[in-house]
Parts: sequence; C-alpha cells; structure tokens
Amino acid sequence: EDKVVQSPLSLVVHEGDTVTLNCSYEVTNFRSLLWYKQEKKAPTFLFMLTSSGIEKKSGRLSSILDKKELFSILNITATQTGDSAIYLCAVDGSSGNTGKLIFGQGTTLQVKP
Amino acid sequence: SAVISQKPSRDICQRGTSLTIQCQVDSQVTMMFWYRQQPGQSLTLIATANQGSEATYESGFVIDKFPISRPNLTFSTLTVSNMSPEDSSIYLCSIRQASYEQYFGPGTRLTVT
Repeated sequence: EDKVVQSPLSLVVHEGDTVTLNCSYEVTNFRSLLWYKQEKKAPTFLFMLTSSGIEKKSGRLSSILDKKELFSILNITATQTGDSAIYLCAVDGSSGNTGKLIFGQGTTLQVKP
Repeated sequence: SAVISQKPSRDICQRGTSLTIQCQVDSQVTMMFWYRQQPGQSLTLIATANQGSEATYESGFVIDKFPISRPNLTFSTLTVSNMSPEDSSIYLCSIRQASYEQYFGPGTRLTVT
C-alpha cells in the first residue's frame, strides 16, 4: 500500500531558529513530491520536486528530494511567527497518470516570539 | 497559477440534508479533484471530476453519497448527500496544471449538527 510519512508530527521553536521537516514515502510509481503550507483551510503550494539532488528554494524555504532513499526534507531558516502552520507533504505515485496525491499526516510547526 | 474559488466558504447543516459545493477556476484545466479533510486528519481524495463523464471515485467513496458534476473545464460541483455529523469536514477542490503542480481552492468548512 502506498504511504507517506512525515516527521516530526509537531515542533515548537523560537523565532530565528532553523527547522528541518522530513517526509518519507513508499509508492508504486513515483512521479513527484509536493510540499504545502496549511494555515486555515486551504493548503498553499510551496514546491514540487521530481529529480533527486536538485534543491528548490523560495526565500527562507528550501527543499530537496532523494529518490534513492525515498525521502524529502523541507528547511526553513530564520523562522518567523508567520511560519506557524501545518506543513503537508504529498506524493503523486499514481499509475496511469491519474494525478492522485497521497498525503502525509502533516507536521504542525509553532514558532514562538 | 490559476485562481480557484469555492462556495460556500462554510456552512452549518442539519443531518439528513444535502449540500452542494461549487468550484470555479478562472482558466480551463483538464484535471480537477475533490478532497476531504476530517478534523485533525490529513487530506483524502474523494474523486477525480471528469469533464463530460462520470467521476472516478476512490475506495470508500460512492456516487450516491458524493455526486459530482463537471459540465465544463472550469467548473465542478460536489454534493454531500444525506449528511451525518461524520461528514463534518473541510472539502477542497484542487486542479492539476500542465506543469503537474497541484493547487487547492480555499475550501468549504462543513459542520453537520
């Protein structure tokens, strides 16, 4: 059965800290891995990763994929209180290119002032 | 990326009734999906909304309970039928762009009393 596992499930840090969120997966036909930030209802797209070893970066956030070891990390440097959210990892591992995403449980990040 | 709108944003409904949620995209997209997020849980795919044909449902979801329409490439509806308190969730539509990135609408928070 396809699955995506995130760790840690929750994390509390102080402003200015650097955090690393982990996502491991087991899927039949890997196509891509996506990271989202969820603050209220809607997940906001952060990154999509398809190739190993190529870092994606946006401001203080960065992410990289390791297709050999089947995991990805999301790094947030110099955290701010506005980074407090649930971070979701999802994998498109669909056979037949259906686009179905399998989500991990999410990591709840709280950044304290 | 395309702009996705959903309505209603939230609703409180009585058990036994039905609610139809609308999803509108500002450009034509091939693939649209409906997800559910139960309280404290991650996202689960309900179905893929297919334009001009019946939706493709995931295991555990049936058309009688969650009928879906997709009359064109910019619009879809999800109906939650004969609601019970267990249907209280956030319902999200999403689209997959040609780049294979997936984006979510703002979500509908449903409470069934």
